[in-house]
Amino acid sequence: NAGVTQTPKFRVLKTGQSMTLLCAQDMNHEYMYWYRQDPGMGLRLIHYSVGEGTTAKGEVPDGYNVSRLKKQNFLLGLESAAPSQTSVYFCASSYGFGNSPLHFGNGTRLTVT
Amino acid sequence: DAKTTQPNSMESNEEEPVHLPCNHSTISGTDYIHWYRQLPSQGPEYVIHGLTSNVNNRMASLAIAEDRKSSTLILHRATLRDAAVYYCILTPMDSNYQLIWGAGTKLIIKP
Repeated sequence: NAGVTQTPKFRVLKTGQSMTLLCAQDMNHEYMYWYRQDPGMGLRLIHYSVGEGTTAKGEVPDGYNVSRLKKQNFLLGLESAAPSQTSVYFCASSYGFGNSPLHFGNGTRLTVT
Repeated sequence: DAKTTQPNSMESNEEEPVHLPCNHSTISGTDYIHWYRQLPSQGPEYVIHGLTSNVNNRMASLAIAEDRKSSTLILHRATLRDAAVYYCILTPMDSNYQLIWGAGTKLIIKP
C-alpha cells in the first residue's frame, strides 16, 4: 500500500504565482486534511473534507482553496502565493474521527520568494 | 480548546525505557488521547491512542491516569531510531475536526 502520497515534494514559487498540491490516498478513507507546519511548531489545519464533494475551513484557511472531486484525492490550491505561505504542507487521511488514527504523507516543502 | 502540555525535550539512553508525559487537564469525557511522532523531514507517524484504559501495541504503551488529566507514552526499549518529536493531542468530538497540535517533545537518544 502506498498510503498517502503527496506531489510535488518541493516547489519554489514567486510571489503572486499559483499552484496546486495533490494528495492521494489508497485506503478508502472518508476524511482528508491539509495541514501546514512552520519551523519549530506543531501542525495547523488549513482545510478538511469529511467525504467526496465536501470541504470545510480549518484554523488557517485564508489564501488557500481545496477540492475533493474524487474520494481518493484532495487538492490544495494557492491562487496568489505570498511569502507567508512558505511552509511544509502535510496531507492526512483517516477512516473516521476521534477513534481513528491519522495517516500522513511525507509533505511538500514550499518556498515563496 | 482542548490543549495538551508536554516538556520541550527529553534525553534518554539507548536500550532504556522512556516515559514521555503529557498533561491535558481540560480533557472532556469523549476526547481520545492520540500520540504521534515525527522524524526529521517526514510526516507525523501514528504511535498509539486510547480513551480510558491503558493500551499496548508493537510500538509503545499508553498509560492514562485514572482522572484522565494526564497520560504517559512508554517506549519500552529506546533505540536511536526513536529519536523524534513526539506529539500528544486530543481529538475533541465537538471541535469540527480541529486537532490542537503543540510543539511536542523532542526526544534525544544517547548511544
